[in-house]
Amino acid sequence: EAGVAQSPRYKIIEKRQSVAFWCNPISGHATLYWYQQILGQGPKLLIQFQNNGVVDDSQLPKDRFSAERLKGVDSTLKIQPAKLEDSAVYLCASSLGARYYEQYFGPGTRLTVT
Amino acid sequence: ELKVEQNPLFLSMQEGKNYTIYCNYSTTSDRLYWYRQDPGKSLESLFVLLSNGAVKQEGRLMASLDTKARLSTLHITAAVHDLSATYFCAVDMTDRGSTLGRLYFGRGTQLTVWP
Repeated sequence: EAGVAQSPRYKIIEKRQSVAFWCNPISGHATLYWYQQILGQGPKLLIQFQNNGVVDDSQLPKDRFSAERLKGVDSTLKIQPAKLEDSAVYLCASSLGARYYEQYFGPGTRLTVT
Repeated sequence: ELKVEQNPLFLSMQEGKNYTIYCNYSTTSDRLYWYRQDPGKSLESLFVLLSNGAVKQEGRLMASLDTKARLSTLHITAAVHDLSATYFCAVDMTDRGSTLGRLYFGRGTQLTVWP
């Protein structure tokens, strides 16, 4: 079974530029998550989708971050404009359902903002 | 907001020794995960603990959960170099008795095992 796919794996941009990350979850997984992991810290949940609807985005900085999940499968996370403090690894995870199901994590996208 | 505290944050231990990592959390939950992360890699699931008193073991690692104390432990027995990694606990947020599938992570314990 294929795992969670993410691209790109690495991205370097200058502050105030825009960037987008892509995630393809495990086939059949209804729930998709984006996490931000800053160096030396644990992952922090940014947004949770159930199919193509947002369940929770309370920790998403909505002035600069946006995310969508079209057709309930792939998802994109966008940052516009980026700040230095956005440098982090962005992890995508998916699960069969929101409750009582284990989350499977992708390899992550390492973003460096200079 | 649910708070998750791990300690120690850094652990350096000799091969063959035993040690315990602690994970405390601030609100009610009966679903806790332990993950391993190698440098530059993603998270690998180690254990899922689903109820009070749950204990799971895999090789040299054993995890337990005490929901009344809001405490989980990850015990390392006779450590070997291959266990060197960062270990995270994560708690599934609960609302009115149901888990929400939203994980709150501790800061991680960076384990180094030396000969």
